[in-house]
Amino acid sequence: GAGVSQTPSNKVTEKGKYVELRCDPISGHTALYWYRQSLGQGPEFLIYFQGTGAADDSGLPNDRFFAVRPEGSVSTLKIQRTERGDSAVYLCASSWSLGNTIYFGEGSWLTVV
Amino acid sequence: SQELEQSPQSLIVQEGKNLTINCTSSKTLYGLYWYKQKYGEGLIFLMMLQKGGEEKSHEKITAKLDEKKQQSSLHITASQPSHAGIYLCGAVPTDSWGKLQFGAGTQVVVTP
Repeated sequence: GAGVSQTPSNKVTEKGKYVELRCDPISGHTALYWYRQSLGQGPEFLIYFQGTGAADDSGLPNDRFFAVRPEGSVSTLKIQRTERGDSAVYLCASSWSLGNTIYFGEGSWLTVV
Repeated sequence: SQELEQSPQSLIVQEGKNLTINCTSSKTLYGLYWYKQKYGEGLIFLMMLQKGGEEKSHEKITAKLDEKKQQSSLHITASQPSHAGIYLCGAVPTDSWGKLQFGAGTQVVVTP
């Protein structure tokens, strides 16, 4: 596709459930990023990949959060035992390589009830 | 730790007037991005600045990075309703280019 694609665009889940959020980066982009944005705040870094490996996962809030990018393209952010505080917009982004322009997707709105 | 302050928090400008948003870091940056966001949507890339003293323009928007690479400004000339939204600066505080740190954003409202 032309831009970064994220699915689902909206997800409502019950507290304690498992959630997967998918990101399809711009074709050819080697770097992929996950950010989380709460209402009224700027995006908060979670993790980024260079190729298949997680280059920096220092932003993941705890061990309930995990992300993979097995083939160096599509990435999945996985959240176990969701909590109400996990409710936010999860933004994915990609760039040709590190230091190049970073393009963001539309985000996945997660609501935990 | 890196601190990134964005000001003002919000502003209301009359259509046709100019506006400026500032982004200040406590440390020298490796680079800085400017994005625009509309409520419920993703971030739209505007500019990326890497060199001290660099200035870039696109249509009516100009962004500058100071020589010390600690402060950036975004200036919009003759604002239009299409300029309304939230403007975010994203700083690269170290050589870890993947780890942007964002300001809280500036909400811009353009009135007729």
